[in-house]
Amino acid sequence: GIQVEQSPPDLILQEGANSTLRCNFSDSVNNLQWFHQNPWGQLINLFYIPSGTKQNGRLSATTVATERYSLLYISSSQTTDSGVYFCAVPYSGGGADGLTFGKGTHLIIQP
Amino acid sequence: KAGVTQTPRYLIKTRGQQVTLSCSPISGHRSVSWYQQTPGQGLQFLFEYFSETQRNKGNFPGRFSGRQFSNSRSEMNVSTLELGDSALYLCASSLGGFTEAFFGQGTRLTVV
Repeated sequence: GIQVEQSPPDLILQEGANSTLRCNFSDSVNNLQWFHQNPWGQLINLFYIPSGTKQNGRLSATTVATERYSLLYISSSQTTDSGVYFCAVPYSGGGADGLTFGKGTHLIIQP
Repeated sequence: KAGVTQTPRYLIKTRGQQVTLSCSPISGHRSVSWYQQTPGQGLQFLFEYFSETQRNKGNFPGRFSGRQFSNSRSEMNVSTLELGDSALYLCASSLGGFTEAFFGQGTRLTVV
C-alpha cells in the first residue's frame, strides 16, 4: 500500500516563529488532507489539497502531486498551534474511500 | 449543520467481552470510515462503508467488523476484546469519491 512519511517527527519553537511541516507519499494520489489533532483527540480539518496552494489565515499548504509531497506552513506561531499535525492520503484506489495517515509531526510552541 | 457524532465517548470493557461503537455521519454523507489510533501504531484504517456496502478494509483481524444502515449511520463491533484493543476509535464521513473527510470526536476504549 501507499506509504506516507512526515517530517520532522517533533518540532519545538518559540511563539512567533514560522514552521514548515513536510509530507511525502509513495504513489500518485487524488486526495490529500492535513489535520490538527486537538488534546481531546479530535481531528480538525485544516486543508483538503490534492494539488496547488491554499491559505487560511496564518496557515497555508502546498501540494506538488507530480513530486509526491505536500508542505504545511504555519506563520507567527501561537501556543494554541501546539499539537500533532497529520497528513493523509487515500488508503487505496479502486473508487473506495478511507485514508492512510503519516505518523504525524508533534509541534510544541513555547511562550 | 451537525458534525459527525460518535457514541459513547468513553468505554471500559473486560478482556473477552465484545463492544459496539456508533457513528452518525454528517447529513447527506454516504461514506463512513473507521480508524484505530494507538501510541504504538498511530492512526490505522479499519474499513469503509458506502450505501450499506463495505468497499474497503484495512489489515485487521476478523474480530473487527462493521455495518452501515440505510440512513448511513454505522456501527463497529469488536468481539473477544484483547488488552491491545485499547485505543481511540475514530470515524469519518464524506460524500465519497475521495472528497473531504470529516471526523467525529472519537470513542476511547479501555480494555482491562
